[in-house]
Amino acid sequence: DAKTTQPPSMDCAEGRAANLPCNHSTISGNEYVYWYRQIHSQGPQYIIHGLKNNETNEMASLIITEDRKSSTLILPHATLRDTAVYYCIVRVAKYGNKLVFGAGTILRVKS
Amino acid sequence: NAGVTQTPKFRILKIGQSMTLQCTQDMNHNYMYWYRQDPGMGLKLIYYSVGAGITDKGEVPNGYNVSRSTTEDFPLRLELAAPSQTSVYFCASSYLSGSNQPQHFGDGTRLSIL
Repeated sequence: DAKTTQPPSMDCAEGRAANLPCNHSTISGNEYVYWYRQIHSQGPQYIIHGLKNNETNEMASLIITEDRKSSTLILPHATLRDTAVYYCIVRVAKYGNKLVFGAGTILRVKS
Repeated sequence: NAGVTQTPKFRILKIGQSMTLQCTQDMNHNYMYWYRQDPGMGLKLIYYSVGAGITDKGEVPNGYNVSRSTTEDFPLRLELAAPSQTSVYFCASSYLSGSNQPQHFGDGTRLSIL
């Protein structure tokens, strides 16, 4: 199963872009990269996912390297409400659609 | 749309008691999941279901049971509560079986076993 590596914490100034990196060097060709976040005491919230191409939605952008061994989640204009734990997850095929959550990155947006 | 609804939000149990955590979704999703999250840790899969009448074990199934009699509901049962089961429990659902379908989570049930 492909595993991910994320920095334990990052800080970002309010209004600036937050760039959250993730390494997934053992990812296989048909595995997607997902990003979720968890704001204190709430359930995880889906942000974005991708396979090979860069993706953008109303919340964020996902940049995946050409070799697919790493990716970056970009929150273009971080706000205080974006303070959360961000999880980079590679979809595991073994248990159907099981998500394997690691420790994630604590993003602190500061004014 | 309510999405994924979990009840109760909070519960305190005594050791040895039993209870059922309720989860229902109104998105007509095939897949449903139960996770637990211990303080400061990531989520761990307890059980999952790919459709009504079909369930399977996840990473940490011991001490729990599930059933899936309808598409909408996926209750989690604790038969003999133990302190090690103190945790936050999240239910999730996703559509079909495609590997690119995101999971949608409820707000969790915070359970303390004393």
